[in-house]
Amino acid sequence: DAKTTQPTSMDCAEGRAANLPCNHSTISGNEYVYWYRQIHSQGPQYIIHGLKNNETNEMASLIITEDRKSSTLILPHATLRDTAVYYCIVRALTGTASKLTFGTGTRLQVTL
Amino acid sequence: NAGVTQTPKFQVLKTGQSMTLQCAQDMNHNSMYWYRQDPGMGLRLIYYSASEGTTDKGEVPNGYNVSRLNKREFSLRLESAAPSQTSVYFCASSSRGIGGVGNYGYTFGSGTRLTVV
Repeated sequence: DAKTTQPTSMDCAEGRAANLPCNHSTISGNEYVYWYRQIHSQGPQYIIHGLKNNETNEMASLIITEDRKSSTLILPHATLRDTAVYYCIVRALTGTASKLTFGTGTRLQVTL
Repeated sequence: NAGVTQTPKFQVLKTGQSMTLQCAQDMNHNSMYWYRQDPGMGLRLIYYSASEGTTDKGEVPNGYNVSRLNKREFSLRLESAAPSQTSVYFCASSSRGIGGVGNYGYTFGSGTRLTVV
């Protein structure tokens, strides 16, 4: 699976949009971009995923560049409860099991 | 809808003791996984089971064994615990798919916090 690069930490004011970047310059054509978050010491939570088109759900939006070498997770109106570590992961969904490989992620701190 | 249930939530072991961490999912998922997370680190895959009856090693399998008891349950065993195995252990499950509609990634349990002294 392709390696990802994320900033170690970011701050965001409550109510503002949080834009979390991810670089995946070696991504292959069959690899998806997944985002998870981990609040405090809980189990990671799925947020969103995409292949090449932008995606939106009730939690966030995912913007993938045309060359697919980077992406941005957008939390449109960040709240204090969005404070968490956010993981960007790329993986191919082939074979009998699709394994997630976690890096160290971006620690997002939402402040008043 | 419980999702992924892990037991116990906390455990303290003495070096050399053995124990089994239990994991069960009620989402009819085919694949199950065991991860460990050390302080300040990302999650590392220990073992996984693509489907009932199969298991495979992940990134850090040494010192562990697993059993896929049935489709719902996937247990992790420490035969002789060592202080280096002090960690938080997460179980996860996923539906088998090739992306697109219906593939919503992994569902994780709330973790087992294990301390080996």
